[in-house]
This record gives sequence, C-alpha cells and structure tokens, in this order.
Amino acid sequence: AQKVTQAQTEISVVEKEDVTLDCVYETRDTTYYLFWYKQPPSGELVFLIRRNSFDEQNEISGRYSWNFQKSTSSFNFTITASQVVDSAVYFCALNSNSGYALNFGKGTSLLVTP
Amino acid sequence: SAVISQKPSRDICQRGTSLTIQCQVDSQVTMMFWYRQQPGQSLTLIATANQGSEATYESGFVIDKFPISRPNLTFSTLTVSNMSPEDSSIYLCSASGNGSPGTEAFFGQGTRLTVV
Repeated sequence: AQKVTQAQTEISVVEKEDVTLDCVYETRDTTYYLFWYKQPPSGELVFLIRRNSFDEQNEISGRYSWNFQKSTSSFNFTITASQVVDSAVYFCALNSNSGYALNFGKGTSLLVTP
Repeated sequence: SAVISQKPSRDICQRGTSLTIQCQVDSQVTMMFWYRQQPGQSLTLIATANQGSEATYESGFVIDKFPISRPNLTFSTLTVSNMSPEDSSIYLCSASGNGSPGTEAFFGQGTRLTVV
C-alpha cells in the first residue's frame, strides 16, 4: 500500500520568510514517482514538480526548491522569500507502476500575510 | 500539456436527484480519473475511467452510486446518483497523457456540488 503523509496541516508565515513543507511517503515499489501540486482558493490543481525514484537530485525553480531524500522517504518543498500569492493548499502525491492514479497527502494550507 | 474543461463548475441540488458532470480534454489521453475532495480534505480517488469498458472503482465507491462513462479518449462523465448532503464535495476530473505512471496528471477546475 502507498501512503503520503503531510504532517503540517496549516502554516502561517509573514511575507519574505522562507517556508518548508514536509512530505513523507511509503511505498513498496522500487520505481515510483512523487509530485507536488498547488491548489489556490480558486480550486484548480496546479502541477509544480515530478520526481522519479531514481533521481535524487534536488531541484530549484525560481523561489521553489525540492529536497528528495530516499533514505528518509521524504520529498520536502521549500519556498524562499514567500509572497502573498503563494497562499494555497499544497499537496504531495505519489504513484507507481502498480497504480497510475495519484495518492495524495492531506495537504498543507499555507497562508502568507503581508 | 492538456487542458481539461469540467461542467458544471458548481451546482446546488436537491437530495434524491442525480447530477452528471462532464469532463472534456483538449487532446487524446490514455488515463482519466475521477476524484472527490470533501470540504477541507484531500483528494480521494473514486474510479479510473476506462475507454470502451467499465470503470474501475476504488474501495467504498460503487457503480450504482457513481456511474461513469468514457466513450472516447477525450471525454468522460461522472454521475452522482440519488444524492444526499454527504455527497456535497468538489469532484475533480484528471487526465494523464501517455499511460506512464510518471506522467504529469492534469486536473479540471472541479465541480463544487452542494446537496440540500
């Protein structure tokens, strides 16, 4: 069985602070894929990043960065110099060859205040 | 990338009635899925919509309650039958292009359903 845990339910930061959203996953598959999605108040899910289990390189995209560590089964997401527009619910998700649909964590609601 | 259009975007329905949600993708996709997101909760997979055959339902979801059609590679419908207030949720359609599990999944904007 696959499981994604996002222990942080809600996070509140002041603009320009850095914030890290945690994601811990469980799977028995050796090949798997990890994702982060953003859900702003409008409700639409926006794809942010995909990582496969063989690629542990960290990735940076503008103010966003991701830290994938297989040793701790974690795929954490950091927003640097947060902005009000970053306020949203962020979901970590997992799938693999044994199930193409995404297994989502419960999400972390991020509020960035001016 | 794929653009997914869902209709209706929101609806308020009487208990005991049924609502059909439509999902149109702007390109042919291999996999289509339906998720439910209850208020303040995560996304739960309802079923995988299979083209030309019956949908594959997850535990806790049955065809009589959530019949799904997928007549071609760009379109699917989800019906929420005999609705009760517990069915009030956001229903999201998702599509993935080439059938690989690592492929990015795209989502529609969701249908916000309120049952009164």
